Amino acid sequence: EIVMTQSPATLSVSPGERATLSCRASQSVSSNLAWYQQKPGQAPRLLIYGASTRATGIPARFSGSGSGTEFTLTISSLQSEDFAVYYCQQYNNWPPSITFGQGTRLEIK
Amino acid sequence: EVQLLESGGGLVQPGGSLRLSCAASGFTFSSYAMSWVRQAPGKGLEWVSAISGSGGSTYYADSVKGRFTISRDNSKNTLYLQMNSLRAEDTAVYYCAKKASEEGVSGYFDLWGRGTLVTVSS
Repeated sequence: EIVMTQSPATLSVSPGERATLSCRASQSVSSNLAWYQQKPGQAPRLLIYGASTRATGIPARFSGSGSGTEFTLTISSLQSEDFAVYYCQQYNNWPPSITFGQGTRLEIK
Repeated sequence: EVQLLESGGGLVQPGGSLRLSCAASGFTFSSYAMSWVRQAPGKGLEWVSAISGSGGSTYYADSVKGRFTISRDNSKNTLYLQMNSLRAEDTAVYYCAKKASEEGVSGYFDLWGRGTLVTVSS
């Protein structure tokens, strides 16, 4: 099983500043990596897929990078609505494999 | 409107069974693989099971293999999860999720339901 490890567990950042979240895979997943945002009481929302492609309607301040085993989600200038929990997810094609990271909580500093 | 709506959650005793349903609307249901993803209280997301668009291929996480069965009825645009031999550690909100692209089973999810809570307790 491919294990996804996110760091840090909690990130404290002030509004307007940049946030950088990391995700590491236990083996290469190529660019088969997605990022989700989840707010309390809500379902996850897709932000990024293919490691770096923004989903429909996602603001340009969200960007993803990386390939293989190391990935990064960057939020360039934090808005109040961005404080949430973020998950990475790998989706290996064969054999079919889906695993999530444990999440990074982004909180207001 | 494009949406997924789960139902069937509730309180069940350890060892018991429950069947979850997920009604899909607004897209061609049979064209997309679907998954169940769960989230224990205060915890992260855990993929549970996936099924191909035709229903001919199914996949499970090791934690539920042999106890849970995923299925779908494309004539009713509905996804199911039959959960048997339930344990306390199965307590979670269960989401159904639509794979974003039509090819294959494994992928990322562009549409999620609101979830249904399953509580396993005596």
